[in-house]
Amino acid sequence: DIQLTQSPSFLSASVGDRVTITCRASQGISSYLAWYQQKPGKAPKLLIYAASTLQSGVPSRFSGSGSGTEFTLTISSLQPEDFATYYCQQLNSSPRTFGPGTKVDIK
Amino acid sequence: QVQLVESGGGVVQPGRSLRLSCAASGFTFSSYGMHWVRQAPGKGLEWVAVISYDGSDNYYSDSVKGRFTISRDNSKNTLYLQMNSLRAEDTAVYYCAKDLYGYDGPGFDYWGQGTLVTVSS
Repeated sequence: DIQLTQSPSFLSASVGDRVTITCRASQGISSYLAWYQQKPGKAPKLLIYAASTLQSGVPSRFSGSGSGTEFTLTISSLQPEDFATYYCQQLNSSPRTFGPGTKVDIK
Repeated sequence: QVQLVESGGGVVQPGRSLRLSCAASGFTFSSYGMHWVRQAPGKGLEWVAVISYDGSDNYYSDSVKGRFTISRDNSKNTLYLQMNSLRAEDTAVYYCAKDLYGYDGPGFDYWGQGTLVTVSS
């Protein structure tokens, strides 16, 4: 099975900050990576798929990059509604594993 | 608009069974792979199972293989998860999710609100 790690696991940031989250895969997954945002008590929301394609309706301050084993999610200017937990997911093979999550909190 | 509504959760004793349902609307259900994803209280997301658009193919996580069965009824636009031999570690919110592109797609674009399963004596 492919394992995913995320760093950091927690970050504290201010509105307007540029935030970068990294996801690493235990083996190459090409560009088969998605990013989700989850707020407490809510279902996850798809932000990015195929490593860098912005899902319809998602603000352009979110962007994704990477391929192979290392990927990043960047929020160019953090907004109040962006404080949440972010998960990466590999879709290269089953099981379609998720990373452990990165919680973005208010500084 | 796309809607996924899970039902069937509740409190169940260890070793017993439960069947979850996910009623889909707002899209051509029979054209998309569907997934179950769970989240234990205070924990991260865990992918559970997938079924192809026609039900001919499926995969499971190792943690549920042999105990859970995913199925679908395209005539009723409904996805199911039959959970047998339940364990305390199966306690979680269970989400159904739609594949972005047919089957084996690059992400899950719609999710239900989740249904809580608690396994406890």
